[in-house]
Amino acid sequence: SAVISQKPSRDICQRGTSLTIQCQVDSQVTMMFWYRQQPGQSLTLIATANQGSEATYESGFVIDKFPISRPNLTFSTLTVSNMSPEDSSIYLCSVDTGRNTEAFFGQGTRLTVV
Amino acid sequence: SQQGEEDPQALSIQEGENATMNCSYKTSINNLQWYRQNSGRGLVHLILIRSNEREKHSGRLRVTLDTSKKSSSLLITASRAADTASYFCATAPLGAAGNKLTFGGGTRVLVKP
Repeated sequence: SAVISQKPSRDICQRGTSLTIQCQVDSQVTMMFWYRQQPGQSLTLIATANQGSEATYESGFVIDKFPISRPNLTFSTLTVSNMSPEDSSIYLCSVDTGRNTEAFFGQGTRLTVV
Repeated sequence: SQQGEEDPQALSIQEGENATMNCSYKTSINNLQWYRQNSGRGLVHLILIRSNEREKHSGRLRVTLDTSKKSSSLLITASRAADTASYFCATAPLGAAGNKLTFGGGTRVLVKP
């Protein structure tokens, strides 16, 4: 299993600003992912955070808007840049601990952009 | 884009009744996972069923998988008020290096005491 600490748990931000969300895992993991959950909706994968290289983004998500860092096997950050009210969502990080096993999720960051 | 569809979108039952929800998906998978989410908080993993498995049980939960129909069902028996939550299925695509999950739309379950 894995214990994930995600910070901040919530924030209210002004439009045009940026917010960086941190995801810390209590053990080394191979795969880390970032998801977005818009209000009342399901989760959508934003990107795979790759250790030591650029993140792999899903269709509809770009690095300029959602830059991701992963400096080591236990930590990643997601930045939501130049925010607009449409970015108001819950952002969740997720990790894998083994092949073809369950994914573990952080408690999420509830972001409101005003 | 979401490949999974869940039905029903919402379900209201009395405590003690069973709740069944279904999930359909479109592509070949390594596994299918079910998660619970309470009031927009983090996801709690319920069950993972691999593509070569047909049924799994965990406590009051029973999951089936039919890969020929690309569908799965989650049954919660003898429901409790604490089971009130949103339930999501998520698929891990065949051949993917990890849990690049595609989520279904979710089923909101209300268990009335």
